[in-house]
Amino acid sequence: GAVVSQHPSRVICKSGTSVKIECRSLDFQATTMFWYRQFPKQSLMLMATSNEGSKATYEQGVEKDKFLINHASLTLSTLTVTSAHPEDSSFYICSASRTGLTEAFFGQGTRLTVV
Amino acid sequence: GNSVTQMEGPVTLSEEAFLTINCTYTATGYPSLFWYVQYPGEGLQLLLKATKADDKGSNKGFEATYRKETTSFHLEKGSVQVSDSAVYFCALSLWDGSSNTGKLIFGQGTTLQVKP
Repeated sequence: GAVVSQHPSRVICKSGTSVKIECRSLDFQATTMFWYRQFPKQSLMLMATSNEGSKATYEQGVEKDKFLINHASLTLSTLTVTSAHPEDSSFYICSASRTGLTEAFFGQGTRLTVV
Repeated sequence: GNSVTQMEGPVTLSEEAFLTINCTYTATGYPSLFWYVQYPGEGLQLLLKATKADDKGSNKGFEATYRKETTSFHLEKGSVQVSDSAVYFCALSLWDGSSNTGKLIFGQGTTLQVKP
């Protein structure tokens, strides 16, 4: 399968600061990337869908001004958590896909802790 | 709407026991179905998939058959090992009217614990 790399794997930040998470598709051009959030011992919830070169589409209830998503190239999407709050502490996972693929490929996830 | 329902865990089995984790879904169109596995502290790994009705996905001794008549995709393994201990997620890909989108809807996950 294709390789998707997510960085960093763990990050600790102070309340009020911003943190950026990168998602890279290493061996294919990802026209679409997805960002999920996973709460402890719960399932993954889709936050947003980003298509290369256009604005992200956010799921209902997700604050787009708080979770900034950029998909500037076919191999990179970023999620920036702005003005981080302890409630934003979670496991964030990206996946990448492209037209014609029947599946999306997942990064290894980022554990964000806001203190 | 689109949704995935898995059996609640945790599931605790002895090594070499038979495993079944039930998964049922509701969906429009022609979704693909997936099982993902998540080991502690890690991301998701695709375990197996099926793209159309009656397809059987298989990998590492795990199997699941896409049953459209019962809207199910149950995961089975004949003999589990301690190393199979993980959380298993059933998922479907959303259909946009002409193709699968890559956007996944996940079940709630089932924790499997295998004891020696």
